[in-house]
Amino acid sequence: DGGITQSPKYLFRKEGQNVTLSCEQNLNHDAMYWYRQDPGQGLRLIYYSQIVNDFQKGDIAEGYSVSREKKESFPLTVTSAQKNPTAFYLCASSPRTSGRSYEQYFGPGTRLTVT
Amino acid sequence: KNQVEQSPQSLIILEGKNCTLQCNYTVSPFSNLRWYKQDTGRGPVSLTIMTFSENTKSNGRYTATLDADTKQSSLHITASQLSDSASYICVVSASDYKLSFGAGTTVTVRA
Repeated sequence: DGGITQSPKYLFRKEGQNVTLSCEQNLNHDAMYWYRQDPGQGLRLIYYSQIVNDFQKGDIAEGYSVSREKKESFPLTVTSAQKNPTAFYLCASSPRTSGRSYEQYFGPGTRLTVT
Repeated sequence: KNQVEQSPQSLIILEGKNCTLQCNYTVSPFSNLRWYKQDTGRGPVSLTIMTFSENTKSNGRYTATLDADTKQSSLHITASQLSDSASYICVVSASDYKLSFGAGTTVTVRA
């Protein structure tokens, strides 16, 4: 899991509530990413950030929001607008995104269950 | 649409035996191909990364091959161990941050 931590490991919420997932890295990486993993599907990109105070939508950003106020932190908020929030959420980071093919390092994941 | 297809979806092998996982992709333009190992309930961990000019790369008992002409890759596991039980994910990059993920092959190694 490298130097990326995600908390909590398991999270339970009632439908209609917003919930924030934490992601912290001590690798001094510029870029950070949020993915969603569902059974039988490949990882899908929710949001990514290449630098502090900047982020871009991925393929499935609807119902999610992020912030990047610090280099080491990239929290993800799952809002009540997300229709199917129950999933395994993975945070990743890489040194940067341009110029070379940098490795992405993944955190241990947070399993969110909404009932 | 960029796609990554993996086969088989799952397989069971006896400890000590070899196995090969397949990955076909339609991602273009191609930058690199990666294989990750993901234990249940954990984040993926990188095994290998190959660029266009590389056709084979090894990491211990794991050997990945790449045929960029046919857009196919394979991951060979030699002398499997119980700890090899995991999901193996093929990931293809068209650019440095935009990755296309396969659904994974679940490998179960039995004693």
